[in-house]
Amino acid sequence: SAVISQKPSRDICQRGTSLTIQCQVDSQVTMMFWYRQQPGQSLTLIATANQGSEATYESGFVIDKFPISRPNLTFSTLTVSNMSPEDSSIYLCSVEAPVKGYTEAFFGQGTRLTVV
Amino acid sequence: RKEVEQDPGPFNVPEGATVAFNCTYSNSASQSFFWYRQDCRKEPKLLMSVYSSGNEDGRFTAQLNRASQYISLLIRDSKLSDSATYLCVVTYNYGQNFVFGPGTRLSVLP
Repeated sequence: SAVISQKPSRDICQRGTSLTIQCQVDSQVTMMFWYRQQPGQSLTLIATANQGSEATYESGFVIDKFPISRPNLTFSTLTVSNMSPEDSSIYLCSVEAPVKGYTEAFFGQGTRLTVV
Repeated sequence: RKEVEQDPGPFNVPEGATVAFNCTYSNSASQSFFWYRQDCRKEPKLLMSVYSSGNEDGRFTAQLNRASQYISLLIRDSKLSDSATYLCVVTYNYGQNFVFGPGTRLSVLP
């Protein structure tokens, strides 16, 4: 299994500013994933972060808006840049770990972001 | 068409009821299948994996039909604590890619 500590748990930010979300994992993992969950919606993958290389972004997400750092195998940050009210959402980091013959996804507690 | 689709819900059922959730997926290359549970304002957590032979965990039974690309979850004797959103999840690329369904919200009423 994997335990992920994510912070902040919530924040209210002014439009035009940036917020950096941090995730710390209790074990070394190759890939870390960042998701967005808008109100009443499911999880949408933003990007996959590998240590030592640039993150891979999904369609509709760009590095300038969501820069990601992955300095080592247990830590990653996601920055939401130049925020607008449309960025209000829950942001979740995730890792995948083998459990009983299959791969399970584990999540941080989430960051509830409100942009005003 | 979305990769993973679920009953839109919400489902409001009395305690003790049996409730079934349906899920379909479009990618025939999907390899593994799961149900995750997400409580209000919490992160998703694995409820159970789903096998072609079907699997049961207490009051929960999951079924997979690969030919129809259909997954189901049955909850018997619903408890108040079962109230949550249930996410259907499929993976491919040997577990590296997780695709989450939109979720079905369940409210079990006293």
